[in-house]
Amino acid sequence: DTGVSQDPRHKITKRGQNVTFRCDPISEHNRLYWYRQTLGQGPEFLTYFQNEAQLEKSRLLSDRFSAERPKGSFSTLEIQRTEQGDSAMYLCASSSAAGGPAAFFGQGTRLTVV
Amino acid sequence: GQNIDQPTEMTATEGAIVQINCTYQTSGFNGLFWYQQHAGEAPTFLSYNVLDGLEEKGRFSSFLSRSKGYSYLLLKELQMKDSASYLCAVRDHGSGNTGKLIFGQGTTLQVKP
Repeated sequence: DTGVSQDPRHKITKRGQNVTFRCDPISEHNRLYWYRQTLGQGPEFLTYFQNEAQLEKSRLLSDRFSAERPKGSFSTLEIQRTEQGDSAMYLCASSSAAGGPAAFFGQGTRLTVV
Repeated sequence: GQNIDQPTEMTATEGAIVQINCTYQTSGFNGLFWYQQHAGEAPTFLSYNVLDGLEEKGRFSSFLSRSKGYSYLLLKELQMKDSASYLCAVRDHGSGNTGKLIFGQGTTLQVKP
């Protein structure tokens, strides 16, 4: 396992379309996070999973956003009816609850809504 | 609430030393992290401080003062490849100890020859 993997790396979509992103965390990590990052800003927390349970959602996560982690392994983030303001880098990170304090990030999915 | 401040931009010369400061306010401090992020790439973990003092890792060191809500990242013997954004992040005890990170806006460091 070489780290956190995200797919796709880039996505261009038309306003109003639905998009789905996938994240495969480091295999032994039971904690998974989604963040969003816009140009010139630090990442902003969106949601957190411990195993398959979604334990926290940011107020940034509107009703158009949904995330799942069905078997406690990979996770998906879906955005429905995309808006231009959704254009950003979507980052996934994972960490171990048992030890190792750091969260490790994937390469991100850059979404452009046109 | 939570607030993290760091300078927006810094410039330094190859071979020199640079210090990037970060101040924070948080309701339940549970560790401070520094990440490096090159343009278009993922943040990569540099350092972690949970107790006061200096942590050294090769050319990079990070310092924490919890009483002052202050940290800095020290980069020595700067190389051109150190040109990147440096993100300060705080982990908060709140919200059931999820381990989520609250990030500053990042400091863009430009290393010049």
